[in-house]
Formats: sequence, C-alpha cells, structure tokens
Amino acid sequence: GENVEQHPSTLSVQEGDSAVIKCTYSDSASNYFPWYKQELGKGPQLIIDIRSNVGEKKDQRIAVTLNKTAKHFSLHITETQPEDSAVYFCAASMGNFNKFYFGSGTKLNVKP
Amino acid sequence: SQTIHQWPATLVQPVGSPLSLECTVEGTSNPNLYWYRQAAGRGLQLLFYSVGIGQISSEVPQNLSASRPQDRQFILSSKKLLLSDSGFYLCAWSPRLRRGETQYFGPGTRLLVL
Repeated sequence: GENVEQHPSTLSVQEGDSAVIKCTYSDSASNYFPWYKQELGKGPQLIIDIRSNVGEKKDQRIAVTLNKTAKHFSLHITETQPEDSAVYFCAASMGNFNKFYFGSGTKLNVKP
Repeated sequence: SQTIHQWPATLVQPVGSPLSLECTVEGTSNPNLYWYRQAAGRGLQLLFYSVGIGQISSEVPQNLSASRPQDRQFILSSKKLLLSDSGFYLCAWSPRLRRGETQYFGPGTRLLVL
C-alpha cells in the first residue's frame, strides 16, 4: 500500500517568516494530494490540495508544489501569523474509494 | 451546503462497557463515509470506510465495528471497550462517484476509557 512520510514533526518560526513542510509518497499511482490543518480539539480542515496533473497551486499565503518524478510534495506558508499555529497533515490518494494515506503530522508554532 | 455532525462530543466510559458513536451528513447523497482514530499527538488511522448502506470495509482488525443503517448515517460501535480504545474519533465524508475528491471531517468525539 501507499506510505506517506512527513517532515519535520515540529516546526517553530517567527511571525512573518515562511514555513515549509515536506511529504514523500511511495506509490506512483497516487494522484491527489490534500493538506489539512488541525487546531487543538477540532477536526482537520482542508486548506489546499493539488492533483497530479498540476505542479504548483497557490491560495493567498499558502502554496503547494508537487514533484511527481521524485514523489514528493510540499506546503509553503508565507508571512506566517500566530493563527497559523496548528498541526498540519498531508495525504495522498489513488482515488480508489477515495482512501487517504496520511502523513504523521507537523506541529507548527508561530511565535509572535 | 454540506454539514457533518458527530456525537457525543466527549465520552468517558469504563473498561468493558459498550460504545456507540454516531455520525450524520447533511446536504449530500450517496457519500463515502469514513471512521478514523487519532491517538494523542499522533496521526490519523483509518478504521472503516463505507461506499453504501450496509457496505463496510475494515482497515484494521480490532475491538470495534461499524455500521451504516442509512445513506447518511455511520455508526462506530464496540461491545466491550479496552483502555487502548481511548482517542479522538473522527468521521469524514467524500463524494462517492468522483475520484480525487477531498474528505471533509466532522468535529470529532473524544473518548476516554478508564
């Protein structure tokens, strides 16, 4: 089955700096890659996603890049704010029943 | 718009007691439904998924079972809880007939088994 690895497990940045979280996947059949933000005690919320036919996608301060050859994708957050502090999860899906394979999560701490 | 509900929000149960967690989705038909468990500070473990009424697939052999008695209702159960069943239980849905669609998560149920 698919295996998704996520790094780093924790990340501390100063407010205004950029943050980058990286994920790798093992199965080249994966074609959909969402990113979720989970605040303490809440369910994960989708923040951005990318499909395998696209190399980059941006939404305001958030961007995701995908390198299919290397089988890795990354989340980039620019101009970080304290409210960006949360746990971020990446996932990969091959589309069969929309089963997702999640990374282990990155705890982002933005220091004011 | 679609909404997903889970209840209860929190639950404290003794070891050996039964469990029933409920998830319902509004505003969509024929969704795929999923149950995940998240241990404290850990990632999401897929427990069950369902593509239709009465159709349940189990990902991990365990002390839990799932049922889907109605199209938009998904229930997670146990006959006898173990200490290791403690965790944060998340229900999610996705559109069934389209591939590459995201999953939308509910607010979760925090279960503590004592």
